[in-house]
Amino acid sequence: QSVLTQPPSASGTPGQRVTISCSGSSSNVGSNDVNWYQQVPGTAPKLLIYSQSQRPSGVSDRFSASKSGTSASLGISELRSEDEAVYYCAVWDDSLDGHVVFGGGTKLTVL
Amino acid sequence: QITLKESGPTLVKPTQTLTVTCTFSGFSLSTDGVSVAWIRQPPGKALEWLALIYWNDDQRYSPSLKNRLTITKDTSKNQVVLTMTNMDPVDTATYYCAKRLASSSASLGYWGQGTLVTVSS
Repeated sequence: QSVLTQPPSASGTPGQRVTISCSGSSSNVGSNDVNWYQQVPGTAPKLLIYSQSQRPSGVSDRFSASKSGTSASLGISELRSEDEAVYYCAVWDDSLDGHVVFGGGTKLTVL
Repeated sequence: QITLKESGPTLVKPTQTLTVTCTFSGFSLSTDGVSVAWIRQPPGKALEWLALIYWNDDQRYSPSLKNRLTITKDTSKNQVVLTMTNMDPVDTATYYCAKRLASSSASLGYWGQGTLVTVSS
């Protein structure tokens, strides 16, 4: 069971906006920047959002992120078929000498 | 251009020790602020962070696996090595190494392709 809680699945139709949540605690989401990853089956994860809201070069501005307290969310606007993937949140956890924790992942289906 | 590539055995027996190597290029692990992490993913399951090593040799481990893991670096060879003792079939997974992109050690912007390790007798 992951330290960060994500819904196992989400779905939307092309053109819609979807949101994926990530719930943690004061030692991780509550005190550190949340990062978001996209993983297409059979490939390595790809960093989508870092430092809370920054996008690496080449990542579409359709992806955005926010945080409030111990919860964070990833937003995907103008949904496209190629957005179908598994999305993970990840954050530094200050407890137990410090370590990184990942969420359990959310499978996004584009209907 | 930054690249990372994992290598190691594809099959290990239960109770054996796994050694996987991350060979990278395009950066140096002696540069201030640089770190490399290991992450694994059992088939069909979620990502699990394992360990990381910083440029100054500081190391951090997953609390649940700390007793079984050792991460080291060889700056001259541009390699990071992860050893995991007492392997079990539940440790069957694709093992990835990754380099952080930004100040957070959880912002892993560069990943290797991963190497699948199967634990079976």
